[in-house]
Amino acid sequence: GAVVSQHPSRVICKSGTSVKIECRSLDFQATTMFWYRQFPKKSLMLMATSNEGSKATYEQGVEKDKFLINHASLTLSTLTVTSAHPEDSSFYICSARDYSGGKTEAFFGQGTRLTVV
Amino acid sequence: SQQGEEDPQALSIQEGENATMNCSYKTSINNLQWYRQNSGRGLVHLILIRSNEREKHSGRLRVTLDTSKKSSSLLITASRAADTASYFCATDSLYNDMRFGAGTRLTVKP
Repeated sequence: GAVVSQHPSRVICKSGTSVKIECRSLDFQATTMFWYRQFPKKSLMLMATSNEGSKATYEQGVEKDKFLINHASLTLSTLTVTSAHPEDSSFYICSARDYSGGKTEAFFGQGTRLTVV
Repeated sequence: SQQGEEDPQALSIQEGENATMNCSYKTSINNLQWYRQNSGRGLVHLILIRSNEREKHSGRLRVTLDTSKKSSSLLITASRAADTASYFCATDSLYNDMRFGAGTRLTVKP
């Protein structure tokens, strides 16, 4: 299947700093990418949907100024956690949708474990 | 908000037994996918079933989909200790989003 690469896999940062997470589709063009957050032993919560070249659509309760999403190309979306706090510590996963060949399947990155100290 | 609800939330069985997990959802979908996640790790795609399909098999996995009831089930036959993980259904909706159920935590005892 298609490959989605997410980087970094783990990051530790200090409170107040910003962290950028990258999500790349390696062998297909992804017009739509999704960002999810997962707390321990919980499910994946959709944070936002990003479409290439336009502003992201955020889910209710997700602060768009806190979680900046940029989808500047068909193969790259980034999530920046700004002014990180310990409560932002979580597992973040991206997903990219492949529409080629009539498909409409989503593929996931391996996730980024963010720890804010 | 999450799309699906999974049932049961936790399931503990003996090796060799079958495990059945159910998922219900609310909106119309293009397809429904099942994923597996080992503790703290990424998602592993198991199987995709499209809205016009009713049943699909892959190895020891059997998935059913009932769009009239907006529900799906995942059956793992002849379970193994290595099947211990969390299992999530994810609905790919007509509104171009993909949402996950709450998940079932499966424990297979050797």
